[in-house]
Amino acid sequence: EDKVVQSPLSLVVHEGDTVTLNCSYEVTNFRSLLWYKQEKKAPTFLFMLTSSGIEKKSGRLSSILDKKELFSILNITATQTGDSAVYLCAVEAGGNAGGTSYGKLTFGQGTILTVHP
Amino acid sequence: KAGVTQTPRYLIKTRGQQVTLSCSPISGHRSVSWYQQTPGQGLQFLFEYFSETQRNKGNFPGRFSGRQFSNSRSEMNVSTLELGDSALYLCASSPDGAGGSDTQYFGPGTRLTVL
Repeated sequence: EDKVVQSPLSLVVHEGDTVTLNCSYEVTNFRSLLWYKQEKKAPTFLFMLTSSGIEKKSGRLSSILDKKELFSILNITATQTGDSAVYLCAVEAGGNAGGTSYGKLTFGQGTILTVHP
Repeated sequence: KAGVTQTPRYLIKTRGQQVTLSCSPISGHRSVSWYQQTPGQGLQFLFEYFSETQRNKGNFPGRFSGRQFSNSRSEMNVSTLELGDSALYLCASSPDGAGGSDTQYFGPGTRLTVL
């Protein structure tokens, strides 16, 4: 069974701090890893990673994937109170048949990030 | 482009009733996936539809069903509601659901409370 584990489960920091969120996975026929940010509404897409070692960046957020060690990290620098949210890691995998597990993402438990002023 | 929309946003039902939730995908997206989100289990995959066909299904009982229309809009139905069905139901759309470079975009969800 596909498994995605995130750590830490919660994190409290002050504005300006840098945080690193972790996501490890065990899936059959990995295809992609995605990061989402969820406030009290829809998960918002942040990054999709398919290739190992290539960093994706968007402003103060960046993410990298290590397919050999089966993990990804999400970094947020110079945190702001608006970064407070649940950060979700999800993996899309092909399944045992080696094909496509259509439309299915397996999610981790999420990391609750709280940024204090 | 308009995002994924879901209706209704909030719903209160009693045990034993049934409920139908609706999802309209982003224009041009043909794949719709449904997820259940609870504090204990997190986000769990229910099923995926593409061109009016269910292509994939998660580990949920048969009380959970869905369908997709020719305009790609999708509905999910839960019959004989149980207290444990209280959750946020999210749908997500993508161009073809085949993964790889195909990102899923989520709607705001329907908050279902079963009393």
